[in-house]
Amino acid sequence: EAGVAQSPRYKIIEKRQSVAFWCNPISGHATLYWYQQILGQGPKLLIQFQNNGVVDDSQLPKDRFSAERLKGVDSTLKIQPAKLEDSAVYLCASSLDGFANQPQHFGDGTRLSIL
Amino acid sequence: KNEVEQSPQNLTAQEGEFITINCSYSVGISALHWLQQHPGGGIVSLFMLSSGKKKHGRLIATINIQEKHSSLHITASHPRDSAVYICAVQYSGGGADGLTFGKGTHLIIQP
Repeated sequence: EAGVAQSPRYKIIEKRQSVAFWCNPISGHATLYWYQQILGQGPKLLIQFQNNGVVDDSQLPKDRFSAERLKGVDSTLKIQPAKLEDSAVYLCASSLDGFANQPQHFGDGTRLSIL
Repeated sequence: KNEVEQSPQNLTAQEGEFITINCSYSVGISALHWLQQHPGGGIVSLFMLSSGKKKHGRLIATINIQEKHSSLHITASHPRDSAVYICAVQYSGGGADGLTFGKGTHLIIQP
């Protein structure tokens, strides 16, 4: 079974620029999560999708962050404009069914550095 | 808001030692996860449990729902066990079940 795929692996941009990350979950997984992990901290949930609908985006800074999962499969997370404090690893995870306790499978993450 | 506290934050031990990492949380949950993160960012799910105890190889995870506490044990530790171990909790209210993470325990096993 192929795992959760994320790209790019690394990204370096200047503040105020825009950036986008891509995630392809495990085939058949209905639930997709984006997490932000700042250095030295545990990951923090940004947004949860169930198929193509948003279940929880309460911690997503909506003035600059956006995410979509239009066809209920792969997803993109965008930051526009980026700030220095957005430097972090952005992790995508998927699970079979978000309405029952299921293990979450994580991608390798995208490491974002803001100069 | 649920807080997840882990201890210790850092742990260095000798190969072969028995390792215990603790996790406590403040409100009721539906499940608790133990995850392993290696340098470079990849996270691997070790256990998901809602009661009792689970064992996989040299790893054992326990949870006490009444005390809101969980422990991860590693028996006969090995240098390849060196990683960050993260405790995370999950709710199942209305389908929103994103994990709330602790800050992690950085474990180093010296040969």
